[in-house]
Amino acid sequence: GDSVTQMEGPVTLSEEAFLTINCTYTATGYPSLFWYVQYPGEGLQLLLKATKADDKGSNKGFEATYRKETTSFHLEKGSVQVSDSAVYFCALRGKTGNQFYFGTGTSLTVIP
Amino acid sequence: DAGVTQSPTHLIKTRGQQVTLRCSPKSGHDTVSWYQQALGQGPQFIFQYYEEEERQRGNFPDRFSGHQFPNYSSELNVNALLLGDSALYLCASSPYGLAGGTDTQYFGPGTRLTVL
Repeated sequence: GDSVTQMEGPVTLSEEAFLTINCTYTATGYPSLFWYVQYPGEGLQLLLKATKADDKGSNKGFEATYRKETTSFHLEKGSVQVSDSAVYFCALRGKTGNQFYFGTGTSLTVIP
Repeated sequence: DAGVTQSPTHLIKTRGQQVTLRCSPKSGHDTVSWYQQALGQGPQFIFQYYEEEERQRGNFPDRFSGHQFPNYSSELNVNALLLGDSALYLCASSPYGLAGGTDTQYFGPGTRLTVL
């Protein structure tokens, strides 16, 4: 079945450091891929998405590229800020249904 | 434009009781999905409602049931509560259901259910 595997945390970085959170997926066909962010005490917010191979999603300095050959959708940011501290979830929606599959989340803490 | 709203924010129940959680979708959205997020885990899909019918269901027992109203709002009901039902329950809405256009779901803040 469809599934998502993402890098386990927690991750602690200093402000302005480079961030990578790895995400790989298993799916039939070509799913749509997403990164969601969850700030403390809040629901999930869509960060970025990509709907086909080689698409790059980007938002707020974050980027992720849909790599079909490696079935990956790694999240990157060149210079993190304290306000980026949150839990990040990789997710996919298969082409044969409306169900979203989420990874277990990666907690990021950015220290000044 | 109000986003997805959920009520109540927090709820405490005891084993064996029944609970009802409520969700109002984002304006213009007619499809509602429910997720269970256990502590430290990613959300797990419970089911999705569109046109007042359950359209898709995840791997959850029949104790979990739902309803969608003509105004697109939705309820999640859980009967015979177990300790393991303690979780954050998230509602997500999207523009429409079965035509493959629900690429993006918008989430509410969730209802924190504690079962004692």
